[in-house]
Amino acid sequence: QVQLVQSGAEVKKPGASVKVSCKASGYTFTGYYIHWMRQAPGQGLDWMGWINPNNGGTNYAQKFQGRVTMTGDTSISTAYMDLSRLRSDDTAVYYCARVSGNSKWYEDFDYWGQGTLVTVSS
Amino acid sequence: DIQMTQSPSSLSASVGDRVTITCRTSQSISNYLNWYQQKPGKAPNLLIYGASSLQSGVPSRFSGSGSGTDFTLTISSLQPEDFATYYCQQGYSTPYTFGQGTKVEIK
Repeated sequence: QVQLVQSGAEVKKPGASVKVSCKASGYTFTGYYIHWMRQAPGQGLDWMGWINPNNGGTNYAQKFQGRVTMTGDTSISTAYMDLSRLRSDDTAVYYCARVSGNSKWYEDFDYWGQGTLVTVSS
Repeated sequence: DIQMTQSPSSLSASVGDRVTITCRTSQSISNYLNWYQQKPGKAPNLLIYGASSLQSGVPSRFSGSGSGTDFTLTISSLQPEDFATYYCQQGYSTPYTFGQGTKVEIK
């Protein structure tokens, strides 16, 4: 069965960086884009960007440009999201999600990781 | 960026009620609209894609409609496990934005 398993919770100081991993299983990793979203406490969902695991291509939301890097390691079917220069308002649960195979148009996400809480505090 | 406005932000309903949630977008997105259910402490779960297609494994009491800028998620007969927060999401253009959520609570 398809699974996305993320790395554990992190506590970081302002100005530091965090790298969250997302290990895929149960499907061909290179066949589906991986997107990253985040959700601040009690808030809605915020799209951060995507990576094409097949060729490493990426597309980042403008608000994260220059701070976020998404990479993938096809040998271990794992995607990574690296966020630098952390601020207190980066405190959130970070999710990876797979674009479904329903259609190549709708950008709908059928499998999600369990989420990784990143807390930024001095 | 495409702005998403969901209404209401919360509602109280009873088991068996018919529930309707609306999502309006700031520009036309054809049918590139998806709906998710999220329970506390859990990741979102895809319910509807392409505005009206039911995701595999999702109960048929969930349905979606709309096109352009106005979309609706309907739960035909609310069940105890449906009390959750619902989000719409546009897949038309990046950044792929989400609505602010509609919390469905028990009356």
